[in-house]
Amino acid sequence: GQQLNQSPQSMFIQEGEDVSMNCTSSSIFNTWLWYKQDPGEGPVLLIALYKAGELTSNGRLTAQFGITRKDSFLNISASIPSDVGIYFCAGQLGSNDYKLSFGAGTTVTVRA
Amino acid sequence: NAGVTQTPKFQVLKTGQSMTLQCAQDMNHEYMSWYRQDPGMGLRLIHYSVGAGITDQGEVPNGYNVSRSTTEDFPLRLLSAAPSQTSVYFCASSYDILAGYNEQFFGPGTRLTVL
Repeated sequence: GQQLNQSPQSMFIQEGEDVSMNCTSSSIFNTWLWYKQDPGEGPVLLIALYKAGELTSNGRLTAQFGITRKDSFLNISASIPSDVGIYFCAGQLGSNDYKLSFGAGTTVTVRA
Repeated sequence: NAGVTQTPKFQVLKTGQSMTLQCAQDMNHEYMSWYRQDPGMGLRLIHYSVGAGITDQGEVPNGYNVSRSTTEDFPLRLLSAAPSQTSVYFCASSYDILAGYNEQFFGPGTRLTVL
């Protein structure tokens, strides 16, 4: 599959902080998706992006589809303890491509 | 709706044993897929199906077989388990991935250990 480089690999958050993570690829993607996975559960879709330049929000989450179509970022504003988990980006290469490629994930934990 | 269900939740196998991981969805979704999740590697696609009777290989298909005789069920078979297949397996489904409905609903996962 296509390689998606997701960073950072992990981060610590303090309640109230804004955090961001991003995903880059050498390939052009038709669709970018952001998922969150809680411990012991399957991933859940947070935001889907379908157009270059698109900026979409879901509550305190905001994600953007990069203009070059090779990157995307996710922002979490005013983080709360339940934001901990693993966040994955995923991309679909073309409208006729059935497969999704996933990044390795960003693990978000609470700073003690 | 139950969504996507997977059984079993946990399984321990010995090398060489075979088993079937079950996946079912009650949302009338055409597209179903199997992923494996390994630490630091995200999710990798094993096999997928775009409808009953149609399956295709994903990124890491070796050692796994699938079939899709009904819209609802998409079992994953390990023919001869190997320690390298120790992983967490997720089944996912979506209405029609080509129509822009890319929201894949994931099951809770099966945690498989091969000794």
